[in-house]
Amino acid sequence: GENVEQHPSTLSVQEGDSAVIKCTYSDSASNYFPWYKQELGKRPQLIIDIRSNVGEKKDQRIAVTLNKTAKHFSLHITETQPEDSAVYFCAASMGTDSWGKLQFGAGTQVVVTP
Amino acid sequence: DTAVSQTPKYLVTQMGNDKSIKCEQNLGHDTMYWYKQDSKKFLKIMFSYNNKELIINETVPNRFSPKSPDKAHLNLHINSLELGDSAVYFCASSLSEISTQYFGPGTRLTVL
Repeated sequence: GENVEQHPSTLSVQEGDSAVIKCTYSDSASNYFPWYKQELGKRPQLIIDIRSNVGEKKDQRIAVTLNKTAKHFSLHITETQPEDSAVYFCAASMGTDSWGKLQFGAGTQVVVTP
Repeated sequence: DTAVSQTPKYLVTQMGNDKSIKCEQNLGHDTMYWYKQDSKKFLKIMFSYNNKELIINETVPNRFSPKSPDKAHLNLHINSLELGDSAVYFCASSLSEISTQYFGPGTRLTVL
């Protein structure tokens, strides 16, 4: 089955700096890679996603890159703000006929200090 | 106008009891899911239904039984609760199997 590894597990950044979270996946048939943000006590919320036919996607301060050959994808947050503090999860679909089955990474606790 | 809702938000119960968690979505989605988030925040899928049909059934003890009375509802019944069942359970829904999954607010289950 799919295995998704996420690094780092914690990330402290100064406000205004960039944050990068990396994930690797094992199933070459995976074709959908969402990123979720979960604030303390809240539900996971999608912040950006990318499909395997695209190498990069950007939405304001957030960008995701995908390297299908190396089977890794990354989340980039620029100009971090205190409200970016949360746990971020990457996920990968479990390949064809997976019926929406997502394998999540273990999460990255991001702390943005003013 | 909540998109995905769950009840109850908190559930505290004794070992051995049976409990249910309800989920409803008003997004018109075809696919619904149950996830378990443990104390280390790890999110793992348990079940998925597509148009009321069970599609994904992960390696979950058969004490857990999902039920989808219609496309907009997916309930989770848990028999003979154990300490290890303590977790946050999230319901989610998506338009189809490979599209954005929207999560409910979660149900924090504590088994004493």
